[in-house]
Amino acid sequence: NAGVTQTPKFRILKIGQSMTLQCTQDMNHNYMYWYRQDPGMGLKLIYYSVGAGITDKGEVPNGYNVSRSTTEDFPLRLELAAPSQTSVYFCASSGNPGSLRSEQYFGPGTRLTVT
Amino acid sequence: AQRVTQPEKLLSVFKGAPVELKCNYSYSGSPELFWYVQYSRQRLQLLLRHISRESIKGFTADLNKGETSFHLKKPFAQEEDSAMYYCAYKYIFGTGTRLKVLA
Repeated sequence: NAGVTQTPKFRILKIGQSMTLQCTQDMNHNYMYWYRQDPGMGLKLIYYSVGAGITDKGEVPNGYNVSRSTTEDFPLRLELAAPSQTSVYFCASSGNPGSLRSEQYFGPGTRLTVT
Repeated sequence: AQRVTQPEKLLSVFKGAPVELKCNYSYSGSPELFWYVQYSRQRLQLLLRHISRESIKGFTADLNKGETSFHLKKPFAQEEDSAMYYCAYKYIFGTGTRLKVLA
C-alpha cells in the first residue's frame, strides 16, 4: 500500500494564481483531512471529509475549497493565492473516530510559497 | 472550545535522562487522544494512542482525567528520539514540542 500520497511536493505561486493540491489514499478510509503547518503554530485543520460527497470546514477554511467525489481522492483548491497561504500542507486519512483504526495517516506534505 | 495545549516549544535533555512532554486538553465527549511524531525528513506518524495503553519505543502516555492531561514519558532518552512531537485530540493538534536529546 502506498498509504497517503500528495502532489506536488513543492510549488511556488504568484499572488492571485490558483492551484490544486492532490491527495490520494489507498486504505479505504472514510475520513480525510487537510492541514496547514506554519512555523511554530502546529497543524491547523482546513477542511475534512467523512466520506465521498461530504465535506466540512475546519478551523481555517477561508481561501480554500475541497471536493470528495471518490473515497480515495480529496483535492484542495486554492483560489486567488495570497502570501498568507505560504505554508506546508498535509493531507491525512483515518478510519472512523471511535474505531480501533481512528489514528491518522499522513502524506509527505506540499511546501507552497506564494510571492 | 476543544483545545490541545503543549506548553513547551523546545525540550532539551541529555541522553539517558528521563523525558516528559506535556499535553493538556479540553474537550467534551469520549477521549480520543494521540501522540504523533515527526522525525527529520519523515512524515508525521502515530506514536501512541490512549486507548491502547501500550509502550512504543519506550514511550508511554497516561490519560489523567482529573488533570485533563496526556503527558508523554520515557525513562531514558536516546539520541534517536530527537523529533517533533504532537499531541492530538481526534483531529485537533497541539502546537508541538521539539525534543532534542543531547549526547
